[in-house]
Amino acid sequence: EPEVTQTPSHQVTQMGQEVILRCVPISNHLYFYWYRQILGQKVEFLVSFYNNEISEKSEIFDDQFSVERPDGSNFTLKIRSTKLEDSAMYFCASSYYRISYEQYFGPGTRLTVT
Amino acid sequence: AQTVTQSQPEMSVQEAETVTLSCTYDTSESDYYLFWYKQPPSRQMILVIRQEAYKQQNATENRFSVNFQKAAKSFSLKISDSQLGDAAMYFCAYRSAGGANNLFFGTGTRLTVIP
Repeated sequence: EPEVTQTPSHQVTQMGQEVILRCVPISNHLYFYWYRQILGQKVEFLVSFYNNEISEKSEIFDDQFSVERPDGSNFTLKIRSTKLEDSAMYFCASSYYRISYEQYFGPGTRLTVT
Repeated sequence: AQTVTQSQPEMSVQEAETVTLSCTYDTSESDYYLFWYKQPPSRQMILVIRQEAYKQQNATENRFSVNFQKAAKSFSLKISDSQLGDAAMYFCAYRSAGGANNLFFGTGTRLTVIP
């Protein structure tokens, strides 16, 4: 069964560094999402992406964040200058339709900013 | 803004017994979807069950069923005949039927199944 994959599973970086988190959505899906979960808190929506542009974003998704689909398979989240408070689990998800009942999630990337 | 609350951080159940996980939500919308997602340790979140707000009948998927109380804004998950493989983190989630299609999650309930 097709799955969303994410790499790396764990990323450690120093404050101020740039990080890129990578996701490979399910191949025929058209809508892509990033969520994050700070330890002990809720899973929060960051951004959705369709047709090579952002379709929705939350207040969390400020100028420090960007997303890109650099080729036909990868979907990336870049954090330009990481802060301690960016430490979280980042989940990628994809769906075929915008109003699909199900968003398929990846296993997450744990980002630790020191 | 929509909020989802799961008041049980942890629950446990004996194998073969029944357990109910609670979820409440707050919204001013009349049409929306509710979901329960399961996240086994170190694995993806997978959809367990969904409920459309316009449907009065409670959704059922094999051993999983929900008790949807729209007026009370309550959406609990019942797992019958619990199995060891049910041990996971369970997230309740809300999504608007119109407008933004992002999910709003609760903080999750960690379910332990005791052999």
